[in-house]
Amino acid sequence: ILNVEQSPQSLHVQEGDSTNFTCSFPSSNFYALHWYRWETAKSPEALFVMTLNGDEKKKGRISATLNTKEGYSYLYIKGSQPEDSATYLCAAGGGSNYKLTFGKGTLLTVNP
Amino acid sequence: NAGVMQNPRHLVRRRGQEARLRCSPMKGHSHVYWYRQLPEEGLKFMVYLQKENIIDESGMPKERFSAEFPKEGPSILRIQQVVRGDSAAYFCASSPRLADIETQYFGPGTRLLVL
Repeated sequence: ILNVEQSPQSLHVQEGDSTNFTCSFPSSNFYALHWYRWETAKSPEALFVMTLNGDEKKKGRISATLNTKEGYSYLYIKGSQPEDSATYLCAAGGGSNYKLTFGKGTLLTVNP
Repeated sequence: NAGVMQNPRHLVRRRGQEARLRCSPMKGHSHVYWYRQLPEEGLKFMVYLQKENIIDESGMPKERFSAEFPKEGPSILRIQQVVRGDSAAYFCASSPRLADIETQYFGPGTRLLVL
């Protein structure tokens, strides 16, 4: 059973600030790492899927990196905007490509 | 292309009643996954289904819970004789096929409250 930890639990930043948060997971039996963006009352929106050590993915102002040897991924947001306010979830697949284990998320609030 | 649909969005049941949660996957998707989020917890895998087949139900409680994905119609997660501990958000996800790397597309969830 995987244990996926996300930190911090919550984060408040000012509009324009850049920010990052962490997802850590067991490095043994790793398969894939997924990031989702989740606004209240909506569906979690898929951001990235990464599998290879050293992978970097980018989507607009959001990017993510993956270190499978030490078991962590970073999500970066450059120049945060109020519309970036959401919970960011990471999920690790271990031993299979479908059974995802989610962290509890990082709640980001961007103040205008 | 409509996303994953779940209904109802909110469901209130009394202890001992049955709860039926429906999930319509995205068009063209034949793989469905159910997850449960208990209060203060992350989403936990329950079951993975393909059309007419349960592939992996290792995360589903052995008693009272069942899932199906018939040839026609939505996937159904059924909880019989609900108890207060079943109160949670239930999410469904779908993907087009089981590939090496597959994004799971999530619905908005059904919030079940057991009184």
